[in-house]
Amino acid sequence: GAVVSQHPSRVICKSGTSVKIECRSLDFQATTMFWYRQFPKQSLMLMATSNEGSKATYEQGVEKDKFLINHASLTLSTLTVTSAHPEDSSFYICSAHWGVGTDTQYFGPGTRLTVL
Amino acid sequence: AQTVTQSQPEMSVQEAETVTLSCTYDTSESDYYLFWYKQPPSRQMILVIRQEAYKQQNATENRFSVNFQKAAKSFSLKISDSQLGDAAMYFCAWFGNEKLTFGTGTRLTIIP
Repeated sequence: GAVVSQHPSRVICKSGTSVKIECRSLDFQATTMFWYRQFPKQSLMLMATSNEGSKATYEQGVEKDKFLINHASLTLSTLTVTSAHPEDSSFYICSAHWGVGTDTQYFGPGTRLTVL
Repeated sequence: AQTVTQSQPEMSVQEAETVTLSCTYDTSESDYYLFWYKQPPSRQMILVIRQEAYKQQNATENRFSVNFQKAAKSFSLKISDSQLGDAAMYFCAWFGNEKLTFGTGTRLTIIP
């Protein structure tokens, strides 16, 4: 159980275009989903926390207008990178957990974004 | 702010031997959780072990065990009988205030 999927696994886009990444909890209802960014050979940095039906909470330094997060249902959250630029190229990982105060997060397999 | 420090960027161990990965953290919270996650080359984050801060007993999961020293804010991971499949990046993480904070990771190499 506790499987999280991400789509697409890889995406290459041109500078200035927008890219949407989907994160789905397949066998549980995720009250909270998290989006992380991981640069090569570095750790995971939390970008934002999203709760179903409410606005995402962004970490300091993360542009909310650039990284649009929607958590429209208990099984789906999306991250849209708007007007992508080469510096947005990175590995994006989502995670999910259920219940208030639940500590264990289950991670998706990640999406590699390359902006040309 | 919470910080998690992994002072060993790289470690290596002979297959079947035991290795310990270090982790220290800094927090003023009293209620929190600690985790070790494994990230193999596929980059899928895999939960290795979880520790509740209010429990004194060290968590164990088969070949994986932790040494949790709350007063020292130390949370090391011991891998016994190392196997080739254990080769990965290992991240220590602190959970509190509904957020996970990760350390910088330790790359573990298994020598056949």
